[in-house]
Amino acid sequence: EPEVTQTPSHQVTQMGQEVILRCVPISNHLYFYWYRQILGQKVEFLVSFYNNEISEKSEIFDDQFSVERPDGSNFTLKIRSTKLEDSAMYFCASNRGGLGNQPQHFGDGTRLSIL
Amino acid sequence: DAKTTQPPSMDCAEGRAANLPCNHSTISGNEYVYWYRQIHSQGPQYIIHGLKNNETNEMASLIITEDRKSSTLILPHATLRDTAVYYCIVRVDGSGNTPLVFGKGTRLSVIA
Repeated sequence: EPEVTQTPSHQVTQMGQEVILRCVPISNHLYFYWYRQILGQKVEFLVSFYNNEISEKSEIFDDQFSVERPDGSNFTLKIRSTKLEDSAMYFCASNRGGLGNQPQHFGDGTRLSIL
Repeated sequence: DAKTTQPPSMDCAEGRAANLPCNHSTISGNEYVYWYRQIHSQGPQYIIHGLKNNETNEMASLIITEDRKSSTLILPHATLRDTAVYYCIVRVDGSGNTPLVFGKGTRLSVIA
């Protein structure tokens, strides 16, 4: 069964450094998302992406964050200058879209640790 | 904020049916009920979704009340591997890019 894959599984970065988290969505999916989960807290929506542009973003997704689909397969989340509070699990998700409600499928996440 | 209310935790004996309730009294006519689960810190795993009718797949059954204000996820024969946090989420129908709003879910512990 096709799945969403994320790399790396764990990223350790010094505060202030840039970090890029990578995702390969399911191949025939058209809608892509990033969520994050701070340890012990709820899963929170960051951004959705469709047709090479951001569809919706939350208040968390400020100017330090950006997303890109640099080629036909990868979907990336960049954090420009990381802060301690960016430490979290980051989950990528995708769904097919189209008629009928299509479920989002998630990757297993990247654990981001900011030192 | 999540539009659903779930008990924070439940226990279930291995091999028995696990019935997880969810209240969504303010659900709109075009909103689906989705269930996901999260095992340890893995990514949320899709289980099932429905609009009005009861649904069943290889993982679970979803029973939605006639007024659509509540639903129950049923795992027919719970195993230890079903221990997880289960999330009930309402999501509006649309072209497909509506984000999911997660609440705190129900922590299900399956006991041997």
